[in-house]
Amino acid sequence: EPEVTQTPSHQVTQMGQEVILRCVPISNHLYFYWYRQILGQKVEFLVSFYNNEISEKSEIFDDQFSVERPDGSNFTLKIRSTKLEDSAMYFCASSLSGVQRNEQFFGPGTRLTVL
Amino acid sequence: GEDVEQSLFLSVREGDSSVINCTYTDSSSTYLYWYKQEPGAGLQLLTYIFSNMDMKQDQRLTVLLNKKDKHLSLRIADTQTGDSAIYFCAEITGRRALTFGSGTRLQVQP
Repeated sequence: EPEVTQTPSHQVTQMGQEVILRCVPISNHLYFYWYRQILGQKVEFLVSFYNNEISEKSEIFDDQFSVERPDGSNFTLKIRSTKLEDSAMYFCASSLSGVQRNEQFFGPGTRLTVL
Repeated sequence: GEDVEQSLFLSVREGDSSVINCTYTDSSSTYLYWYKQEPGAGLQLLTYIFSNMDMKQDQRLTVLLNKKDKHLSLRIADTQTGDSAIYFCAEITGRRALTFGSGTRLQVQP
């Protein structure tokens, strides 16, 4: 069964460093998403991406964040200068279409720890 | 704004029914979802309900929606130890983004 994969499973970085979190969405899916979950808090939407551009983003997704689909398979989230409060589990998701009923398939997440 | 609330923990015995509750605030929600998260895994969609429905049944799962009270519940019949996980309700409104509750940890005692 096709699935969304994410690498690495755990990333430790120093405050102020740049990190890139990687995702491989399901191959025929067209919409891609990033969510995050700070420990003990809710899963929060960050950004959605379609046709090589951001289709919507939340207030969390400020200038420190960027997304890219560098090739036909990867979808990345970059944090330019990490802060302690960026420590969280980051989930990538993809869906076949953007219709609301359409299921978003989630990856297992990358745990980011900023020291 | 959108907000989704759930109780944090539920413990049941194997074979009993589990009922996980959720309240939401956005009356314009069109679809409401239940996701399951097992340790080390991503979020798996269990079921969804469209806002013009009151109930949806899918094998051991029953979803009830009370739009007046903005209350959503997930009933799992004949709960098994393999059902132990965190269950998230989520809503989607005019955007494609999902707004999640805080998750209910279901513990099934053998």
